Amino acid sequence: DARVTQTPRDKVTEMGQEVTMRCQPILGHNTVFWYRQTMMQGLELLAYFRNRAPLDDSGMPKDRFSAEMPDATLATLKIQPSEPRDSAVYFCASGLVLGPKHEQFFGPGTRLTVL
Amino acid sequence: KQEVTQIPAALSVPEGENLVLNCSFTDSAIYNLQWFRQDPGKGLTSLLLIQSSQREQTSGRLNASLDKSSGRSTLYIAASQPGDSATYLCAVAGETSGSRLTFGEGTQLTVNP
Repeated sequence: DARVTQTPRDKVTEMGQEVTMRCQPILGHNTVFWYRQTMMQGLELLAYFRNRAPLDDSGMPKDRFSAEMPDATLATLKIQPSEPRDSAVYFCASGLVLGPKHEQFFGPGTRLTVL
Repeated sequence: KQEVTQIPAALSVPEGENLVLNCSFTDSAIYNLQWFRQDPGKGLTSLLLIQSSQREQTSGRLNASLDKSSGRSTLYIAASQPGDSATYLCAVAGETSGSRLTFGEGTQLTVNP
């Protein structure tokens, strides 16, 4: 049963610390997305990649957030330095874009709490 | 800019009822529409995807329809069960937005035993 996996599932850290979240997309998928979900803002797209190349990162605060795909099996989202307002659930999703079909499958999320 | 609206925002029904969740979108130039379910504290589970050339898709007790020209989709749940209680989200992939999904705010469904 192919699934998107994310680690860690929960992270509590102090303001100013670096946070790295990892995602393993479904094998064979060519597109990876990072989302953030909060009660106030709902789901926000932070960045996404196609064939490991960044296509759009306009949703990310550039000064503190960075997203990379070191290889096809790993995507990372890093926050440095973290702030309390970054507290949210961060989701990774992957999809196989084939012609007109754009489908996404979500991971379980990383719940981040910044104190 | 694509906007997606879901009505109602919340719905409470007794077990066994058939129900309909509504989703509307402003730009009909879409690749596909996807329905998700989200349980509290969990990720999004994909339920159904309807491509722009399709009218409906079915999976078990779920049936989703798409009327692209009018910018509407419905998710029909037959014989609802308490286990169906969750937030249901619809999302569209627009032709001008690459692979980005535009999400609605969701319908929070409670099925009472």
